[in-house]
Amino acid sequence: GDSVTQMEGPVTLSEEAFLTINCTYTATGYPSLFWYVQYPGEGLQLLLKATKADDKGSNKGFEATYRKETTSFHLEKGSVQVSDSAVYFCALSDQLTGGGNKLTFGTGTQLKVEL
Amino acid sequence: NAGVTQTPKFRILKIGQSMTLQCTQDMNHNYMYWYRQDPGMGLKLIYYSVGAGITDKGEVPNGYNVSRSTTEDFPLRLELAAPSQTSVYFCASSRDSTNYEQYFGPGTRLTVT
Repeated sequence: GDSVTQMEGPVTLSEEAFLTINCTYTATGYPSLFWYVQYPGEGLQLLLKATKADDKGSNKGFEATYRKETTSFHLEKGSVQVSDSAVYFCALSDQLTGGGNKLTFGTGTQLKVEL
Repeated sequence: NAGVTQTPKFRILKIGQSMTLQCTQDMNHNYMYWYRQDPGMGLKLIYYSVGAGITDKGEVPNGYNVSRSTTEDFPLRLELAAPSQTSVYFCASSRDSTNYEQYFGPGTRLTVT
């Protein structure tokens, strides 16, 4: 079945450092890809998405490019802030037989940004 | 708009007890989902619904039941709680099958002892 593999955390960075969180996937067909973020004590929020190969999703300074040839969707940010401290989940979407779509998540990567 | 709301936020159950986790969305979304999140793991789909009166099993449905009598509400029922059901439960909704964005509630942290 479909699966998502992302780098293990925790990742600890200094403020203004460059961030990369690796994500690779296995899927039949051409799923949509997502990054969700979970702040402490909250539910998941969509950070960005890409629906086809070579698409770049971006939001709040974060970017990720859908690379079909390497089955990857790595998350990057040029300069992280303390407020970016959260858990980041890579996910892919596949259609359910009854309709709607199923999200398959990676295990999450905790990011801690220090002053 | 409140989005997706869940109650309760926390609950401790004894083995064998029953409870219902409530989920309500005010976005008029057709699709609703229940996930569980175990420590260090991604979310796993328990049940989903494509509209009022229609539900189907996800990856890990055993020990749970759902109903969808209205568009807004999608409660999750645990009939005989077991320690393996200790987890954080998230409800989510999406507008339709072509819009893949899912909106999540804040979660319910359940402990079964």
